Amino acid sequence: EVQLVESGGGLVQPGGSLRLSCAASGFTFSSYSMNWVRQAPGKGLEWVSYISSSSSTIYYADSVKGRFTISRDNAKNSLYLQMNSLRDEDTAVYYCARHLTGMDVWGQGTTVTVSS
Amino acid sequence: QSALTQPASVSGSPGQSITISCTGTSSDVGGYNYVSWYQQHPGKAPKLMIYDVSNRPSGVSNRFSGSKSGNTASLTISGLQAEDEADYYCSSYTSSSPWVFGGGTKLTVL
Repeated sequence: EVQLVESGGGLVQPGGSLRLSCAASGFTFSSYSMNWVRQAPGKGLEWVSYISSSSSTIYYADSVKGRFTISRDNAKNSLYLQMNSLRDEDTAVYYCARHLTGMDVWGQGTTVTVSS
Repeated sequence: QSALTQPASVSGSPGQSITISCTGTSSDVGGYNYVSWYQQHPGKAPKLMIYDVSNRPSGVSNRFSGSKSGNTASLTISGLQAEDEADYYCSSYTSSSPWVFGGGTKLTVL
């Protein structure tokens, strides 16, 4: 079964850091580009970051550029999002999503709450 | 990175057809055939319903169809069913972002 499982969310104070992970199974992870997408409480989807299969191409949304870092370990079938200098507005459910033509496989999400 | 424009809500009765619009610019929707549509039920992860403007992934009902004219893409759901009640989001490749989502449309089945 093709599956993505996020972990690493939690409560963090403003200015703090958190590292999210996404474990992939059931497909050849190293062949696919991946995305992080977030959804603030009661709000719509917001694309956060993209990484190509070989990590050669990386993009960030302006709202997280300079604060978040996407990475992957194809040997461990894992995707990561290092989040630094967190702000209240980063509070959201964070999803990892496989990218083919469209984001065709999504994880269940992990919740990040930034609050003092 | 402005979000694509979708109506906040649409509604329809069982068996009817509805269309959700997604308006962008020539830098996103109008400039590329990389528009996708996602369905999201409350508390669940989004599900890909349409990719590359009008293609359905395997397993998605043929009641769902997509199209594009100029800077506006559309999702049509025919033979509306109670289970179609959900939030729907469009997404497009853009020349700057490179991906952007619409604000979402809440579909109510009356």
